[in-house]
Amino acid sequence: GEDVEQSLFLSVREGDSSVINCTYTDSSSTYLYWYKQEPGAGLQLLTYIFSNMDMKQDQRLTVLLNKKDKHLSLRIADTQTGDSAIYFCAENGVNRDDKIIFGKGTRLHILP
Amino acid sequence: ETGVTQTPRHLVMGMTNKKSLKCEQHLGHNAMYWYKQSAKKPLELMFVYNFKEQTENNSVPSRFSPECPNSSHLFLHLHTLQPEDSALYLCASSQDYYEQYFGPGTRLTVT
Repeated sequence: GEDVEQSLFLSVREGDSSVINCTYTDSSSTYLYWYKQEPGAGLQLLTYIFSNMDMKQDQRLTVLLNKKDKHLSLRIADTQTGDSAIYFCAENGVNRDDKIIFGKGTRLHILP
Repeated sequence: ETGVTQTPRHLVMGMTNKKSLKCEQHLGHNAMYWYKQSAKKPLELMFVYNFKEQTENNSVPSRFSPECPNSSHLFLHLHTLQPEDSALYLCASSQDYYEQYFGPGTRLTVT
């Protein structure tokens, strides 16, 4: 079945860029998402990209999509302590509109 | 209230209790979802409703019973739960299944 994989942990120094990577298996994916979850909170939709796009930039966030390799990345520029959270990659497929598949989440730890 | 709200935020219940979780969305969306989030497991989709009709039931045990009286409200009725049902239960809504917006969740502990 469809699957979304991401590494579980990432440590980055404050002020550096963070790059969180994700791979997925469904070649019919239409929307790809990044969600952020802070402790004790629900998931916050950070950004999304359509499958016909290669890149999307939104302030400190840059999403890159390599559709050929089914690879999605989220780059956070100038990482701050407030960026410490779990980041989930997710995708919709055109044949299963009502079901978004989520990865297990990458915990981003900020080093002083 | 804005976005997606959930009540209660925390719930402790015994295995013989009956309780309900409530979700309300103020975004004018037509689809609503229940998810279960346990430690060390991926987010699990439980139920999907579109225009009040259930479109997905992801093999959820019958001790969880959803109710969607209208497009803005979603309930999850709980009865005779097991300790392994302890988790964060998240509600989400979307328009036409895209860009799901999540509530803050209900932290459920079954004793």
